[in-house]
Amino acid sequence: SYVLTQPPSVSVAPGKTARITCEENNIGNKRLHWYQQKPGQAPVLVIDYDTDRPSGIPDRFSASDSGNTATLSITRVEAGDEADYYCQVWDFSSDHMVFGGGTKLTVL
Amino acid sequence: QLQLQESGPGLVKPSETLSLSCTVSGGSVSNSSHYWGWIRQPPGKGLEWIGGIYYSGSSYYNPSLKSRVTISVDTSKNEFSLKLNSVTAADTAIYYCARHREQLWSSPLDSWGQGTLVTVSS
Repeated sequence: SYVLTQPPSVSVAPGKTARITCEENNIGNKRLHWYQQKPGQAPVLVIDYDTDRPSGIPDRFSASDSGNTATLSITRVEAGDEADYYCQVWDFSSDHMVFGGGTKLTVL
Repeated sequence: QLQLQESGPGLVKPSETLSLSCTVSGGSVSNSSHYWGWIRQPPGKGLEWIGGIYYSGSSYYNPSLKSRVTISVDTSKNEFSLKLNSVTAADTAIYYCARHREQLWSSPLDSWGQGTLVTVSS
């Protein structure tokens, strides 16, 4: 079945760049989305359709995809960016939604 | 502004049916431009998609839950609902309802309810 693999955790110092990966087969052909979830809150969409940033999301958030790896990048990381991040796609072969396991971003 | 609000019992006994509703305000569940969905999150774990529905009733379910799940829509109440039967402790989770931004199953979930915790316990 379709699986999206994320590292369980990523740590970064304030002001630096955090990179969170999401691996899958042939991810370049998927419409991948990224969500941020802070403790006790619902997820928030931060990147859609692989690289687009929804209105209201700071331009410190960006994404890229290459081959079988999509990467969410957060530049000039702030304490407020500490959260869980999830990638998500729609599996067209079996018509269901798939989430990655999530990555906990810790700001040191 | 669109708001989604989950409602339903916070405690369900094992083997019984979990029933939740998602009330949509500031928008219409009959809007042909969107699909709607349910997602859950066991305590301390990741997100799991349960299924989704269109106002016409067209729906898709997570294959791992399909035999136990029914999602329906009530346009007169401007809400959509989730029923999960034969629940066990493994179904204990925060349940979220959400909206697909476009009329595409592959579109992102751009608006979420606050979530409601459902505990399965006798």
